[in-house]
Amino acid sequence: DTGVSQNPRHKITKRGQNVTFRCDPISEHNRLYWYRQTLGQGPEFLTYFQNEAQLEKSRLLSDRFSAERPKGSFSTLEIQRTEQGDSAMYLCASSSPGGGQETQYFGPGTRLLVL
Amino acid sequence: AQKITQTQPGMFVQEKEAVTLDCTYDTSDQSYGLFWYKQPSSGEMIFLIYQGSYDEQNATEGRYSLNFQKARKSANLVISASQLGDSAMYFCAMREGQNSGYALNFGKGTSLLVTP
Repeated sequence: DTGVSQNPRHKITKRGQNVTFRCDPISEHNRLYWYRQTLGQGPEFLTYFQNEAQLEKSRLLSDRFSAERPKGSFSTLEIQRTEQGDSAMYLCASSSPGGGQETQYFGPGTRLLVL
Repeated sequence: AQKITQTQPGMFVQEKEAVTLDCTYDTSDQSYGLFWYKQPSSGEMIFLIYQGSYDEQNATEGRYSLNFQKARKSANLVISASQLGDSAMYFCAMREGQNSGYALNFGKGTSLLVTP
């Protein structure tokens, strides 16, 4: 399978715990995005990497959220001191430069439930 | 302000019929891209079709076509010959600006149910 992969697919945690999600992009893609999707809504942008550089962060990405892409390949998204409002689907997407038609390809997502 | 508006929370269509899913957008940029994604219950977002703001012809990909009306700022998705497997959430999204690598703004989606 050469698509975007995400692990874990599901995560249940207690409020106040830290969680970390991993995203492995399509191998030749140097751009990687994180989105959050809550029930009944479309995905909302969180952050964007080009290679290892984090180039853009949404105001949705509070201080409790941190994302890394240390070697320009896989990426991790960590949420510290989780809150019930963090319950959502976390989607990762990747792309390669292609001008305006550049298409983001998404992984299956990680569903987080904070109790 | 919402940049992408999908006014149909839910739609029904009979198998083999065509269906149109509405999308209007708001931008002051001259250069932008419009995308449609399908999200089955499994959760993965599947890319369907792309339309660039400078494209003169409506985009088509198999059974999917995009009815692009630039002056009205609408980019409706048309699915022809609906199949049961088309039942899913459908999201319209926009990327603004000339450069790639920008975030996508998504609408709230339309739930499509295809009935036998």
